[in-house]
Amino acid sequence: GAVVSQHPSRVICKSGTSVKIECRSLDFQATTMFWYRQFPKQSLMLMATSNEGSKATYEQGVEKDKFLINHASLTLSTLTVTSAHPEDSSFYICSARLGSNTGELFFGEGSRLTVL
Amino acid sequence: QKEVEQNSGPLSVPEGAIASLNCTYSDRGSQSFFWYRQYSGKSPELIMSIYSNGDKEDGRFTAQLNKASQYVSLLIRDSQPSDSATYLCAALGSSNTGKLIFGQGTTLQVKP
Repeated sequence: GAVVSQHPSRVICKSGTSVKIECRSLDFQATTMFWYRQFPKQSLMLMATSNEGSKATYEQGVEKDKFLINHASLTLSTLTVTSAHPEDSSFYICSARLGSNTGELFFGEGSRLTVL
Repeated sequence: QKEVEQNSGPLSVPEGAIASLNCTYSDRGSQSFFWYRQYSGKSPELIMSIYSNGDKEDGRFTAQLNKASQYVSLLIRDSQPSDSATYLCAALGSSNTGKLIFGQGTTLQVKP
């Protein structure tokens, strides 16, 4: 399958700081990437759809000013958690689709954020 | 009503048995369905995709789709302890946004 790489895999930060997570499609171009968040023992929650060259589309209840998404190229999307707080501690996972809108979605390795 | 529903389990089967995982969806316009496996602390891994009614087999895995009943299932033959994980069912919404809608996942435990 297609390869999606995420970095960093783990990050610990102090409350009030900002953290950037990168998501790269390694062997294909992705005009659309998706950012998910997962709390322990819960399913994936879609946060936003990242579109190359345009603004991200956020799901209801997700603060766009807190979770900044930039999709500057066909192989890179970034999620910045601004002014992080302990309640933002979670597993953040990006994904990208290979091919058409009906194609399979491949996930990055995930980034575990711990805010102290 | 949740858009994609799964029994959270845990579903416990002995090693070598067939594990049957089920999923229902509410969006009748959905055409594409996926099964992902997620080990604890890891991200989801695509196992199967299915787009047409009927069965689709890949090794020990068989996905089944019945659009009339809005039902998707995954059978795992000769279950192994390494199959122990959470299995996520996902449906591609009909709104053409490309968003996958996930169920809450079923935890499978395969006992040696």
